[in-house]
This record gives sequence, C-alpha cells and structure tokens, in this order.
Amino acid sequence: GEDVEQSLFLSVREGDSSVINCTYTDSSSTYLYWYKQEPGAGLQLLTYIFSNMDMKQDQRLTVLLNKKDKHLSLRIADTQTGDSAIYFCAETPRNDYKLSFGAGTTVTVRA
Amino acid sequence: SAVISQKPSRDICQRGTSLTIQCQVDSQVTMMFWYRQQPGQSLTLIATANQGSEATYESGFVIDKFPISRPNLTFSTLTVSNMSPEDSSIYLCSVDEGTKAYNEQFFGPGTRLTVL
Repeated sequence: GEDVEQSLFLSVREGDSSVINCTYTDSSSTYLYWYKQEPGAGLQLLTYIFSNMDMKQDQRLTVLLNKKDKHLSLRIADTQTGDSAIYFCAETPRNDYKLSFGAGTTVTVRA
Repeated sequence: SAVISQKPSRDICQRGTSLTIQCQVDSQVTMMFWYRQQPGQSLTLIATANQGSEATYESGFVIDKFPISRPNLTFSTLTVSNMSPEDSSIYLCSVDEGTKAYNEQFFGPGTRLTVL
C-alpha cells in the first residue's frame, strides 16, 4: 500500500454523505477501484473507474477521479449503518493484473 | 460471480509449526491469488497461484516460507511454514475470472491466524 494512501478513519452521522479520499502515485494506472470489507468478511468490489473518466455514479455511490492530482474519492450519499466498514482504494497499473491497495479507511456510522 | 470458501476460518498455532490454508472456488477461474492482511494494515499480495506450475511470488515472499499448490482451476492451498508471531495475520484468497477488461477480484472470507 505505499503507493496508495488513504485517511484511516471517518465518522459520519446516519443520513449524511460520506467522502473517502485516496491518492495514488502510479500515473499508468488504468483502473481504480473501491472495495468494501465488512467485519469478519472478505473484500467486495463496490465500484471501479477507468482512468479516462472523471466521474462515475452508481446509485448512492459517486466516484470522482482527478488524474492530474492522482486523487480518487468515493462519496456515499445518505449513509446508512450498513455502510459501516473498511473501504479500500486500489489501482491496477497498465498491462498488469495485480491490485495495489491502500491501507483502508474505517467508516463508522453513528445514529 | 465466483463464490470462494476458505478453511480454516481461524486458527491459533504454536511457534515453529506450519498451517495449510485451503481455498475452494465454485467455478473454474483463470487466476488465483493469496494476500496477507496484517492487523490494521492493507492487503499485501503474497503470490499468484499458477495452475500446474510454481507460484509467482512477490518481493519479500519466498516459496520455502509460503509454499503454494494449485492442482486445478478451482482449488489452491497456501502453507505458512515454521510460523512465528510475526505471521499472525488474516490470509485471503482471491480469484479473477478473467472475463472483464478491468480486474474484478473476488475474495474469500479470510483465515485469521494467531501464532503464539
């Protein structure tokens, strides 16, 4: 995860929006991903964005990509208690199948 | 999407012993991977398990410490050898069906290992 950095913790009130930020260093990254890990479970792919896009929306999730600044964010609208989890940012370099993960942001949703 | 199971789900082991973790997929998949997730840290790729040949290890990981088998397209094992407390971690198996342009990896639930 040294090439992908995330803030470690986020606390948000139920019903508010959550924004999780990530920076990466590999400019050749073709795809960037957000994975979710619920307690005691493996990782689940939430969404991904191709590097030639700057935004992708999928229901309550909005991904923003600033390729110039190598900055990726995930916005969760109307955050629910079920959104409490660890969220990992990941990238895939060009012509590679390997995923490089950030350290994960622990999101806690409070009532 | 692929469904992955791992055995055991957790174990507590003594220093110097070895543990073999199994990963079973409900369909044939192109690529299988083994990751380590140390407490409070990100996932680190240990190796890619290759069907019918030796695994491809990442920098810092060696076959003697983490032997891997992949006898077919649905099954793989990872052995953690001669364990020390530093090996306490969650070990995750993942697969990529190789059917999409992007890398969609499906992860197993993980094996939580504690070494005393």
